[in-house]
Amino acid sequence: GDSVTQTEGLVTLTEGLPVMLNCTYQTAYSTFLFWYVQHLNEAPKLLLKSSTDNKRTEHQGFHATLHKSSSSFHLQKSSAQLSDSALYYCALRASSGSWQLIFGSGTQLTVMP
Amino acid sequence: EAAVTQSPRNKVAVTGGKVTLSCNQTNNHNNMYWYRQDTGHGLRLIHYSYGAGSTEKGDIPDGYKASRPSQENFSLILELATPSQTSVYFCASGAGQGEVFFGKGTRLTVV
Repeated sequence: GDSVTQTEGLVTLTEGLPVMLNCTYQTAYSTFLFWYVQHLNEAPKLLLKSSTDNKRTEHQGFHATLHKSSSSFHLQKSSAQLSDSALYYCALRASSGSWQLIFGSGTQLTVMP
Repeated sequence: EAAVTQSPRNKVAVTGGKVTLSCNQTNNHNNMYWYRQDTGHGLRLIHYSYGAGSTEKGDIPDGYKASRPSQENFSLILELATPSQTSVYFCASGAGQGEVFFGKGTRLTVV
């Protein structure tokens, strides 16, 4: 079945350093990939989405590129801010006729001063 | 802004009791979802729906039922609540291949 893997459960880094959160996926179908961000005691909200191979998508200083050859959709930012501290989810919607949205286990990003 | 409202926001239930979590959306989205969120597991899909009258099993449906009586409303029902169902539950709605919009969550504690 479809699945999403986020290898880092917890990432801690210093303000100003680059951010990279890993996401790989498995599906037999063409895909939409998403990054959702959840701040403490809030609902998850969409950060980025893509279905186009090798095209960079950007929002709020974050960017990601869908690479179908490696089944990856890593989230990056050039310089972390304290306000980026949050839980980040990678998610997959496979166009198999089902509109399930499958989430990875999440990566908790903590940015220290 | 898309609106998904969950009630109650907090609930304490007794083991063996019946619990109903309610969700209402004003987005006119066809698809609605129930997830539970647990540390280390992320968001796991319990049930989802394509429209009024339809419910489908997600990845972890055991111990849960769902009901979609209308386009706007989607309920999650725990007929016999157990302590292992203590969690934060999120409802979401979405249309087609677009993003889904989440409610603020319900914190359920089963004692």
